[in-house]
Amino acid sequence: QQQVKQSPQSLIVQKGGISIINCAYENTAFDYFPWYQQFPGKGPALLIAIRPDVSEKKEGRFTISFNKSAKQFSLHIMDSQPGDSATYFCAATNDYKLSFGAGTTVTVRA
Amino acid sequence: NAGVTQTPKFQVLKTGQSMTLQCAQDMNHNSMYWYRQDPGMGLRLIYYSASEGTTDKGEVPNGYNVSRLNKREFSLRLESAAPSQTSVYFCASFPRQGPYEQYFGPGTRLTVT
Repeated sequence: QQQVKQSPQSLIVQKGGISIINCAYENTAFDYFPWYQQFPGKGPALLIAIRPDVSEKKEGRFTISFNKSAKQFSLHIMDSQPGDSATYFCAATNDYKLSFGAGTTVTVRA
Repeated sequence: NAGVTQTPKFQVLKTGQSMTLQCAQDMNHNSMYWYRQDPGMGLRLIYYSASEGTTDKGEVPNGYNVSRLNKREFSLRLESAAPSQTSVYFCASFPRQGPYEQYFGPGTRLTVT
């Protein structure tokens, strides 16, 4: 049973559009929420992360929104570019172990 | 600085065969992890080693064994491969200090026929 539920499974967005990926969790012991980006044939790489005492974090075109009371967090990719086409995983950390969502494949059409 | 390296990159096994996946990191990290990635399942933790000399089961340990050979190396062994173990395997390391970033290797694609 996955501890972090992620949706949608895939999405297609036009260049310049906004991609939104949502995640939800139940375990209140999670203390760190990273997002990983994975390109085909490569290992995941950390994209951006947030702690539960912060409601929003922005790095360039990527923003995490965090709702502690609802136990939900989301990734927004602004001004999506073809180079953003990848699979994105949300995750949650407890005691140095990561629990991953199932992943979202994002395709950006030029 | 190679980061996390894994060998082999690809492997095909017959049911019942055994093999060891190798992982090494040169970042002086304390913790190391083995994951498997299957379509629609994300990455699932098989085993991890919080520090040299210790190993613990993760979410899906059945059919696997691990060895933390030293601080740099963490191997994953399949004693009797089964088709259900067809997957992409990733090794990762983590410093346990500073940012919570796990560094992943490039993966091993394993097919069991």
